[in-house]
Amino acid sequence: AQSVTQLDSQVPVFEEAPVELRCNYSSSVSVYLFWYVQYPNQGLQLLLKYLSGSTLVESINGFEAEFNKSQTSFHLRKPSVHISDTAEYFCAVSGAGGTSYGKLTFGQGTILTVHP
Amino acid sequence: GAGVSQSPSNKVTEKGKDVELRCDPISGHTALYWYRQSLGQGLEFLIYFQGNSAPDKSGLPSDRFSAERTGGSVSTLTIQRTQQEDSAVYLCASSFRQTYEQYFGPGTRLTVT
Repeated sequence: AQSVTQLDSQVPVFEEAPVELRCNYSSSVSVYLFWYVQYPNQGLQLLLKYLSGSTLVESINGFEAEFNKSQTSFHLRKPSVHISDTAEYFCAVSGAGGTSYGKLTFGQGTILTVHP
Repeated sequence: GAGVSQSPSNKVTEKGKDVELRCDPISGHTALYWYRQSLGQGLEFLIYFQGNSAPDKSGLPSDRFSAERTGGSVSTLTIQRTQQEDSAVYLCASSFRQTYEQYFGPGTRLTVT
C-alpha cells in the first residue's frame, strides 16, 4: 500500500515569486509519481509524471519536480509563478508493479494562490 | 480527440434512492478507474476495470456501491439506498494501460438530501 503526504494545505505567494509545493510518499514497492492540477471549476489535469529515467521532470508551463528516492519526496517547483497558476495541486503515487493496477493514491492537495 | 465524459454533471437525490453515474472513457483506453472526491476524505480510489472485468474493487466503501463496464467502453457506477455521506464528486479516469497516465473526466457532483 502507498500513502502520500502534502505538507502544506495552502500556499500563498506573490506573482513572479518562486514556489515549492512539498510531497512525500511511502511505499513498500517501486512507484510512479504524478502531479495533477485542478483549476477552479475544472477537472483534474496531469501536470507531470515520473515513471523512470531522469529524476527531474518538467511540464510545458514551467513547473518541475524531482524524484528523490532516499527522501521519498517528489516536490513541485516553479521559479516564477503567474496569476494563472492559482489552482489546487495534487501529488499522487501508484505502485509500479502490475498488481497495483495503476490505481492512484492522492495527497490531500495544496491550494496555491498567486497574488498580484 | 474527445476526452473522458461523465453524465450527469450534477445529480440531486433524496436519501434512500438509487442513482446511476455514467462514464465514457477515451476511445481505445482499456483501463478505467472510478474515484471519489469529498471534503472530508479527499480523493479516494473506488474501483478499477481492465476491459470488462474489475480485478480491484478494494475501494468501494460498502455493498451499496457497484459498478459495471460493458463492451470494454462505457462504465456505470450504481449507488443503492443513497446516504448523505455519499455526497461527493465522482470522477472517472481512463488510461491506455494500467500503469500509464490517467485522463480524468469532469466528474458528477452527487448531492444526497
